[in-house]
Amino acid sequence: QSVLTQPPSASGTPGQRVTISCSGSSSNIGGTYVYWYQQFPGTAPKLLIYRNDQRPSGVPDRFSGSKSGTSASLAISGLRSEDEADYYCAAWDDSLSGHWVFGGGTKLTVL
Amino acid sequence: QVQLQESGPGLVKPSETLSLSCSVSGGSIRSYHWTWIRQSPGKGLEWIGYIFYSGYTKYIPSLKSRVSMSVDTSRNQFSLKLSSVTSADTAVYYCVAADPWFDSWGQGTLVTVSS
Repeated sequence: QSVLTQPPSASGTPGQRVTISCSGSSSNIGGTYVYWYQQFPGTAPKLLIYRNDQRPSGVPDRFSGSKSGTSASLAISGLRSEDEADYYCAAWDDSLSGHWVFGGGTKLTVL
Repeated sequence: QVQLQESGPGLVKPSETLSLSCSVSGGSIRSYHWTWIRQSPGKGLEWIGYIFYSGYTKYIPSLKSRVSMSVDTSRNQFSLKLSSVTSADTAVYYCVAADPWFDSWGQGTLVTVSS
């Protein structure tokens, strides 16, 4: 049972816009930044979005992040087949003297 | 970007101690929160904790009684020990450079707990 809640799956066709939600609480998302990671099978996760809506260099602007209250979203526009991967949200949680928490992950399928 | 490489036994017996090391290159061991994250087969990510070069540590509450991390600044390495392991500790273990987000990841190493 993950502290942050994500839908287990999402899908879209090439060119579509898809969004992945991440729901938390006041002790994590509601009080700090949200981060998003992309993971392909058999590889380590890669930072996709930092500080809610910032993209590291090299990440296409098709990927965008947002946060409102205790929830966050990752949007992928102009969906491409190579976007098929697992996506995880993460945030620092202030409870129990502080620790990082993740969402359970969303498997994105490009139909 | 800093490069990281995990090393250690891929098989640990139940009740024994899991020990992993992470070698750091391309960056100073005095930077970053040196972090361990694990991923059980087919499951999501779990943050285990981090250590700073000074030796300051922070661990996830659920594992705090079994986890120990150390850093060797002379060898640019940091380590993880997890005691009294069970099958629930079977996972891919990643060492990560965090500042504070998880910036650079090792390739991960699968540790299986089995007799």
